[in-house]
Amino acid sequence: DADVTQTPRNRITKTGKRIMLECSQTKGHDRMYWYRQDPGLGLRLIYYSFDVKDINKGEISDGYSVSRQAQAKFSLSLESAIPNQTALYFCATSFEDQPQHFGDGTRLSIL
Amino acid sequence: GESVGLHLPTLSVQEGDNSIINCAYSNSASDYFIWYKQESGKGPQFIIDIRSNMDKRQGQRVTVLLNKTVKHLSLQIAATQPGDSAVYFCAERAWGNTPLVFGKGTRLSVIA
Repeated sequence: DADVTQTPRNRITKTGKRIMLECSQTKGHDRMYWYRQDPGLGLRLIYYSFDVKDINKGEISDGYSVSRQAQAKFSLSLESAIPNQTALYFCATSFEDQPQHFGDGTRLSIL
Repeated sequence: GESVGLHLPTLSVQEGDNSIINCAYSNSASDYFIWYKQESGKGPQFIIDIRSNMDKRQGQRVTVLLNKTVKHLSLQIAATQPGDSAVYFCAERAWGNTPLVFGKGTRLSVIA
């Protein structure tokens, strides 16, 4: 979905480094989400935000933090990356409880 | 059906045949269900949704069936085409402000 833009699309980094993944949207949606996808495990929710002042932990928030800088921007940080955080990361947005729209993902490899 | 571990279940279908992808959900309080399609290198794309007050909903070439008694959801694709090849995920939600919970996905492979 071109209205949900994730940067970078690919990143290779080393254990212990701090990494930030960014997500921006032009859909005007109030809600934003970060998911992690591992092979054969579907999508697991890391954090979600219903508006600028709202941040909620998802199923697998340990080792991650987020910032909702504006309605259109939601960034995900790995404070000290570890190899088992190697995965495909997706940002999604929704208007209230309507279906979520996903970006095309960030492939993150931690060596 | 849904996968366990690292291997996605795969459904292989001849082009032109109908496909049925199944999903068992676990939460009897779930009242909203969605099917997503994920093509290689892309994010999941919304296909169709259904609320728990319905048992069937149709879209263009797709139909979703919901059986709340056995907590089962299915996606039917009519006249399957090569462009339908993808991984399909079901997702459920308990009520309006809880996030979606995704299943592990089924890979659909269309044989030309």
